[in-house]
Amino acid sequence: DQQVKQNSPSLSVQEGRISILNCDYTNSMFDYFLWYKKYPAEGPTFLISISSIKDKNEDGRFTVFLNKSAKHLSLHIVPSQPGDSAVYFCAARKSGTYKYIFGTGTRLKVLA
Amino acid sequence: SQTIHQWPATLVQPVGSPLSLECTVEGTSNPNLYWYRQAAGRGLQLLFYSVGIGQISSEVPQNLSASRPQDRQFILSSKKLLLSDSGFYLCAWTPGGPNNEQFFGPGTRLTVL
Repeated sequence: DQQVKQNSPSLSVQEGRISILNCDYTNSMFDYFLWYKKYPAEGPTFLISISSIKDKNEDGRFTVFLNKSAKHLSLHIVPSQPGDSAVYFCAARKSGTYKYIFGTGTRLKVLA
Repeated sequence: SQTIHQWPATLVQPVGSPLSLECTVEGTSNPNLYWYRQAAGRGLQLLFYSVGIGQISSEVPQNLSASRPQDRQFILSSKKLLLSDSGFYLCAWTPGGPNNEQFFGPGTRLTVL
């Protein structure tokens, strides 16, 4: 039972354009959401997070949007840079627990 | 500042051999600690987590076990490795309390032959 889903395994975007990575979840008990970036053979690097009491959080080029009614969150990267090419994971934490559930990842390729 | 270490970085082991992967966190106390596995082309699967010394929660029934002998040390073990145990193993930590980011170590690439 995949509670956190990233339905697009890959995405290609031109440098300078917007990258939009999507994530869907099924459990309404999730109250905290995070995005990570991962290069091959390295640990994931934290990018940005959002609490379920908010619908938007912005940090530089990265913005996360949360639509609780649709159980959907997205990560926007503007402008996209070649160095952004990596696998992006979304994660969710269930309220009252210490467990983080990760999606299967989306590979982003930013074309120069 | 806090740092997280994992070793070894890579490991090649024969089927049936034992395993011990170690993770330590510096610069914090009483962290929550986690072991994940990323199989080839797959997402991150939570294996174990610990909220304190000697407290281990297992998420997936399998051939592995975890222990936390000290506050900032988390060990992943197996008595007999299987081929299916191959993967990229990641240790992570969070500060105690709500709404905290999870920080990952560099990972260990395990190949079971």
